[in-house]
Amino acid sequence: KAGVTQTPRYLIKTRGQQVTLSCSPISGHRSVSWYQQTPGQGLQFLFEYFSETQRNKGNFPGRFSGRQFSNSRSEMNVSTLELGDSALYLCASSLGGQGGTEAFFGQGTRLTVV
Amino acid sequence: LAKTTQPISMDSYEGQEVNITCSHNNIATNDYITWYQQFPSQGPRFIIQGYKTKVTNEVASLFIPADRKSSTLSLPRVSLSDTAVYYCLVASWAAGNKLTFGGGTRVLVKP
Repeated sequence: KAGVTQTPRYLIKTRGQQVTLSCSPISGHRSVSWYQQTPGQGLQFLFEYFSETQRNKGNFPGRFSGRQFSNSRSEMNVSTLELGDSALYLCASSLGGQGGTEAFFGQGTRLTVV
Repeated sequence: LAKTTQPISMDSYEGQEVNITCSHNNIATNDYITWYQQFPSQGPRFIIQGYKTKVTNEVASLFIPADRKSSTLSLPRVSLSDTAVYYCLVASWAAGNKLTFGGGTRVLVKP
C-alpha cells in the first residue's frame, strides 16, 4: 500500500510569509505527528493529531499550528516565518492506538526561509 | 519521558556485526524501547521495538537486560547501505505517536 506522502517536497519562502505543508497518511492510520529536523536541534516533536483532535503538543511557539481532516490527512501551518524555521519537516502516521504502534515517516518537506 | 544516551558515532566494516548500546536509566514501567534508522534527507524508518528480554526480526535484534536500564541494537553482517543514523527511543504506552528523539548514533560502514 502507499506510504506517507508529504507535499511539497521543497519550498522556499521569505521571512514574514506563511506556509502550509500537507501530509497524507497511510490508509487506515488515524494518527499523524509532525516533526522538525535541523542540524542544530535534531528531530523535535511538534504535535500529534488523532481523529481530528490534537492529542499531543511539543514546545513550539503558537506560530506553528496544525489540523487533521476527517480522512486523516493533516496540514501544518507556520505563520510569520523566521530564518530559523528553515528545516526538514517530517510527518509520521500510525494506527494511533496507545502502546507502541510503529510510526511510518514520509520523505519530508524541505523548507528554506530566506 | 526517559532520556536516552547513545554513542555519537561508530565505524564498522562490511560483513561485521554492529552493536549499539543505549542507556535509559530512568525508564518507567510503562515505557517500551524502539529503534529507528535514518538516511540523509529521508524520514526515520522503524527497525525494532521491545519491552524486555530479546526481540529479533529480519533486520536486527534487540537485547534488553532484566533491569531495562539499557538496550543493545544488534545489526548482523552490515553492508555499506547500513550507513545511517540510528536512534534509540523510549516512550510510554500512553504517549500515542509522540516520539522523542535524541542525538542518535551515526554508523559508518566501510568497505
